[in-house]
Amino acid sequence: EIVMTQSPATLSVSPGERATLSCRASQSVNSNLAWYQQKPGQAPRLLIYVASTRAIGIPARFSGSGSGTEFTLTINSLQSEDFAFYYCQQYNSWPLTFGGGTKVEIK
Amino acid sequence: QVQLQESGPGLVKPSETLSLTCTVSDYSISSGYYWGWIRQPPGKGLEWIGSVYHSGSTYYNPSLKSRVTISVDTSKNHFSLRLSSVTAADTAVYYCASSTPEDYFDYWGQGTLVTVSS
Repeated sequence: EIVMTQSPATLSVSPGERATLSCRASQSVNSNLAWYQQKPGQAPRLLIYVASTRAIGIPARFSGSGSGTEFTLTINSLQSEDFAFYYCQQYNSWPLTFGGGTKVEIK
Repeated sequence: QVQLQESGPGLVKPSETLSLTCTVSDYSISSGYYWGWIRQPPGKGLEWIGSVYHSGSTYYNPSLKSRVTISVDTSKNHFSLRLSSVTAADTAVYYCASSTPEDYFDYWGQGTLVTVSS
């Protein structure tokens, strides 16, 4: 099983600033990585797939990068609606696995 | 876009079987796609339970494989989850979702909380 590790667990950012979230895989997942956003009481929402492709309707301030074992989600100019939990997921091999999540909170 | 809605009991007794159904709207399951179940214990992260293709082929998380059955009913345009011998550790919000052949999840149901308690 591929273990996904996200850091930091909590990120405190001021509105308008940039947030940088990390996701590390225990072995290579190539570019088979997705990012999701989850707000309290809601289902996760797909943000990014194939490591860097934005899903339909996702604003350009969200960007993903990386391949192999190291991945980054960058949120430029944080808006109030961006404060949430973020999860990465590898789909390179079964079982599909998620990272433990990063909470982006208002500083 | 695809719409998904989970349904089933919100309370299950220990050792019994948890059964949930996911009804799909605005898309015919028989047209393709994969259909998955993911759960999230209160205050914790996401865990993939398993997925089923419209043909009925299934893929399960090995950690749950001995207790899980996922099936699809194309005539009713829904798919189902059965998890046997539940314990308190199975208490979670259960989500159904559609996934691409690449296995990332593009559309999700709203989730349903299932509590295991006597």
